[in-house]
Amino acid sequence: GQNIDQPTEMTATEGAIVQINCTYQTSGFNGLFWYQQHAGEAPTFLSYNVLDGLEEKGRFSSFLSRSKGYSYLLLKELQMKDSASYLCAVRDRGDDMRFGAGTRLTVKP
Amino acid sequence: GAVVSQHPSRVICKSGTSVKIECRSLDFQATTMFWYRQFPKQSLMLMATSNEGSKATYEQGVEKDKFLINHASLTLSTLTVTSAHPEDSSFYICSARGSTMVYEQYFGPGTRLTVT
Repeated sequence: GQNIDQPTEMTATEGAIVQINCTYQTSGFNGLFWYQQHAGEAPTFLSYNVLDGLEEKGRFSSFLSRSKGYSYLLLKELQMKDSASYLCAVRDRGDDMRFGAGTRLTVKP
Repeated sequence: GAVVSQHPSRVICKSGTSVKIECRSLDFQATTMFWYRQFPKQSLMLMATSNEGSKATYEQGVEKDKFLINHASLTLSTLTVTSAHPEDSSFYICSARGSTMVYEQYFGPGTRLTVT
C-alpha cells in the first residue's frame, strides 16, 4: 500500500513564509510533485523533485529527502492569490501519480 | 507548457443515462492518459491509466464496465460513465503525458458531472 500525508489546513499572513510538509510511504519512487489547485479548477504544476535537496523557483521552493520519505513546499512573500489547495503527489513506479489529500492554505491580510 | 482540453466543462444528466467526457492533448502526442476523480474537499483519486491503442488499467475499486475508457488516438481519450447514479457526481480530471516528456504530466481543466 501507500500513504501520502500532509496537513489538512494551514493559515498564514500576507507577506509571510509558510512551509507545507508532506510525508510518503510508497512501494517505489519515481519523483515527487507539488501542485496548486484553486477550487473548481484543475491542478497546476509547481515543482518536481527526484533527487534529494532543494529546488527553488521564484517565491516557491521544494525540498526532498528520499531516505526520510519527506518533502516540503516553501512559499515566500505570501500573496492573497496564494490561497488555494496544495497537493503533494508521488509517482511511485512507472507513470502512475498518486496524490495526498491536499493542504488548504488560507492567506489573511 | 503543453495544453490539455476537456469537453464538456460541465454536464448534468439524469440517473440511468450515460455521459461521455473527452480529453484532448492539443499540441503534443499523449502516449499515456490518466483519469482522476475528485469529490468535494478531497484530493484527486486515480481511476485508470490508458496507453494509446491498449486497454486501460483500472485502479482497485473502479468498475471498468461502468467507467469505459477509450484511448484510440494519440490526442484523444474518452471516459464514458454508463448508467450514471447521483453518487457518480464528481469532478473528473484527465491528465496526459507524451513519450518525450521526462516527468511532465499536464492536466485538463476538469469536467463537473452532476447526476440528478
